[in-house]
Amino acid sequence: GIQVEQSPPDLILQEGANSTLRCNFSDSVNNLQWFHQNPWGQLINLFYIPSGTKQNGRLSATTVATERYSLLYISSSQTTDSGVYFCAVEQNNAGNMLTFGGGTRLMVKP
Amino acid sequence: DVKVTQSSRYLVKRTGEKVFLECVQDMDHENMFWYRQDPGLGLRLIYFSYDVKMKEKGDIPEGYSVSREKKERFSLILESASTNQTSMYLCASSLLLNSNQPQHFGDGTRLSIL
Repeated sequence: GIQVEQSPPDLILQEGANSTLRCNFSDSVNNLQWFHQNPWGQLINLFYIPSGTKQNGRLSATTVATERYSLLYISSSQTTDSGVYFCAVEQNNAGNMLTFGGGTRLMVKP
Repeated sequence: DVKVTQSSRYLVKRTGEKVFLECVQDMDHENMFWYRQDPGLGLRLIYFSYDVKMKEKGDIPEGYSVSREKKERFSLILESASTNQTSMYLCASSLLLNSNQPQHFGDGTRLSIL
């Protein structure tokens, strides 16, 4: 099956810093989503981004499908950004089944 | 907004018990999914359903079954719970098969099997 790798696995930032999270995948995909899992375990949709660039406030994401990667940018980080960020992909003809990466655990210090 | 509701946030059961985890979505989504999340292993798909009474195995279906009698409800069943099924269970739903729609998740159920 498809492999999804996220980097870095762990990241510690000072509040106000910027960061880039990366998601590499091993095959072509129909769909890519970024999620944030907060410390209470809730998984929140951030972006649905099979290709191109999207922005939502301090967050933006870019997927380059032809090169099989996606990037999540966090600018002016806040303590509430802490948690785990997951990338998940849906392969072609996979019937909306998602394969998740291992996640990036982010801690933002005040 | 899509609302996916899981019946319990925390659940403690004993080895050998039959356990039911319930998930309800309010957006008339065709697709529903059950995942488990474990440290170091990420989220793994157990089962999914794309219509009432339809089900498909995911990556780790062993020890589990599912039921989809109504479109809005998708139940995960642990036939005889074992300690290695202690985990965080997450339900998700999405609109239409092969329509490239995002999945929306519930808040999760932390299940402990003693």
